[in-house]
Amino acid sequence: EAGVTQFPSHSVIEKGQTVTLRCDPISGHDNLYWYRRVMGKEIKFLLHFVKESKQDESGMPNNRFLAERTGGTYSTLKVQPAELEDSGVYFCASSQWANGPYGYTFGSGTRLTVV
Amino acid sequence: AQSVTQLDSQVPVFEEAPVELRCNYSSSVSVYLFWYVQYPNQGLQLLLKYLSGSTLVESINGFEAEFNKSQTSFHLRKPSVHISDTAEYFCAVTPLAETSGSRLTFGEGTQLTVNP
Repeated sequence: EAGVTQFPSHSVIEKGQTVTLRCDPISGHDNLYWYRRVMGKEIKFLLHFVKESKQDESGMPNNRFLAERTGGTYSTLKVQPAELEDSGVYFCASSQWANGPYGYTFGSGTRLTVV
Repeated sequence: AQSVTQLDSQVPVFEEAPVELRCNYSSSVSVYLFWYVQYPNQGLQLLLKYLSGSTLVESINGFEAEFNKSQTSFHLRKPSVHISDTAEYFCAVTPLAETSGSRLTFGEGTQLTVNP
């Protein structure tokens, strides 16, 4: 089966611009997660979708971040306007409902650089 | 809330030497524990996990980790490393009570570099 796909793999944007990251989960995986790693720090949870609904978005840093999952398939994470501190690697993961953390599959990540 | 501390950010070793990557956690509830590995230019891959039962868990590529509840540790070990083990390793936990779709709390990662 295809894995979790994220694109772009790299993005360099200027402060104040908008960037949209995309994640395609494994087909049939109801759970979709976004995580972020900033500047060699720990990987931090951002939010969790179950199908198209936001189950937990307590990790979203502020209202410049907007995540959507239309139709319960792929998800986008938009940063608008981007700030320097948003630079980092954004990971997406998916799992089947019954597996929870046992069956996480991560994507390769999107490296975002805000200059 | 949970927190995870990986005590070493960088661990350089020579090929065929043993290695231990240390992980301690803090939690007010019981947790499941994981080690993930990220090879260069790849995503995070699950290396091994402790859910219940024997406190010593093993991966298919020779790594093992031991859950020590009294010391709240889950150190990762390998008796003889290869060049191909060079990667960043992340320890993570999630609370038992939220088994479906729960979030992971990660440590800051340990870069293992195996030199010839």
